[in-house]
Amino acid sequence: AQSVTQLDSHVSVSEGTPVLLRCNYSSSYSPSLFWYVQHPNKGLQLLLKYTSAATLVKGINGFEAEFKKSETSFHLTKPSAHMSDAAEYFCVVGGSNYKLTFGKGTLLTVNP
Amino acid sequence: DGGITQSPKYLFRKEGQNVTLSCEQNLNHDAMYWYRQDPGQGLRLIYYSQIVNDFQKGDIAEGYSVSREKKESFPLTVTSAQKNPTAFYLCASSRSLAGGLETQYFGPGTRLLVL
Repeated sequence: AQSVTQLDSHVSVSEGTPVLLRCNYSSSYSPSLFWYVQHPNKGLQLLLKYTSAATLVKGINGFEAEFKKSETSFHLTKPSAHMSDAAEYFCVVGGSNYKLTFGKGTLLTVNP
Repeated sequence: DGGITQSPKYLFRKEGQNVTLSCEQNLNHDAMYWYRQDPGQGLRLIYYSQIVNDFQKGDIAEGYSVSREKKESFPLTVTSAQKNPTAFYLCASSRSLAGGLETQYFGPGTRLLVL
């Protein structure tokens, strides 16, 4: 069984300040972990993916995430927020079966 | 330009009516998926297909049906048995089922509203 918890439903930052979106997961197997971004009324776009290689994963648009097995976490960070980063972000865990399990999402607001 | 297309962007359903959502991909992917998205609930899997002429129920298949007659197409029908169909529907594909290890690529979505 696998599950994922996004610890904040809404995060608000100022433009130019760091972004931290938190995700904890549970999996019986060595998991794959993903972060997707969704802009309003759009599909999901892959930001980055962890598959048991390097624990620090770099993604698109300056985002990165660190896999911490001891803490069962996969938090998403960006050093400096841009207005275009405002969107909903989903943490996703995949395991040995076909299934991806999605978190409930974190809405990121970026203030000018 | 490879990708996944969904149509229509908005769809209106009357009571007792079946409606069909289109999903087409030109990524040459074997696996395709349908998800339903409701506010604050993330994505829930409706149906998935590993290969042509084969598909399986996901977590919330009741009131929905699918077909997979061609590799590139995976239409979803929302039947009159689905009592709460208002949602955002997302189609996705991946190279193979391959467990949860494969990256899934998503279409732009169809928003279904009930009149």
